[in-house]
Amino acid sequence: DSGVTQTPKHLITATGQRVTLRCSPRSGDLSVYWYQQSLDQGLQFLIQYYNGEERAKGNILERFSAQQFPDLHSELNLSSLELGDSALYFCASSLGLAGGARGYNEQFFGPGTRLTVL
Amino acid sequence: QQQVKQSPQSLIVQKGGISIINCAYENTAFDYFPWYQQFPGKGPALLIAIRPDVSEKKEGRFTISFNKSAKQFSLHIMDSQPGDSATYFCAASSAGSGYSTLTFGKGTMLLVSP
Repeated sequence: DSGVTQTPKHLITATGQRVTLRCSPRSGDLSVYWYQQSLDQGLQFLIQYYNGEERAKGNILERFSAQQFPDLHSELNLSSLELGDSALYFCASSLGLAGGARGYNEQFFGPGTRLTVL
Repeated sequence: QQQVKQSPQSLIVQKGGISIINCAYENTAFDYFPWYQQFPGKGPALLIAIRPDVSEKKEGRFTISFNKSAKQFSLHIMDSQPGDSATYFCAASSAGSGYSTLTFGKGTMLLVSP
């Protein structure tokens, strides 16, 4: 168990709908990362937050947004859902900024949320 | 554009054998190369990582070999065990991204037969 929790575990919804995925990082971790895993694209980095602020952005669609709250939990909002958004969504957390003074902060992954868009 | 290419897609190895997974990268700015192990229903977990200032790193039965000039790195699993059956991902990152952005290979599904 990595210590990162994600809810819900499974989510089934229809095209055009909006969903929110939730992530609680490991105790003490300030950085949260979101990844999308699909069969054709593999694991893709979406976005990173550090202590409430957006830090890095990857291949995140405009229909997707995220935020990190003062208690450090994070939410990923997916709107106007399409069939192609069906995927596993992982949250990861690390102690601080990866590559900072402490070196390479290991990213600990949660168990993921499986999103199915029908 | 796939920046990290991983092969093979799947691999079957007999118990006690050596499993070898290869990755090649294009971006010469990459300077951190971790390998992740993922079991079904779980998130990826860091297995071992290497920086390009060394050509090899060993942790138990797991070894990363790194060839900077060829822009290739590989994972060797010695004495493979059925419990090693999982999907393995290579990844790469750079100081320029603050090591925030991990670029993953597409994964190798390893099955170790008893």
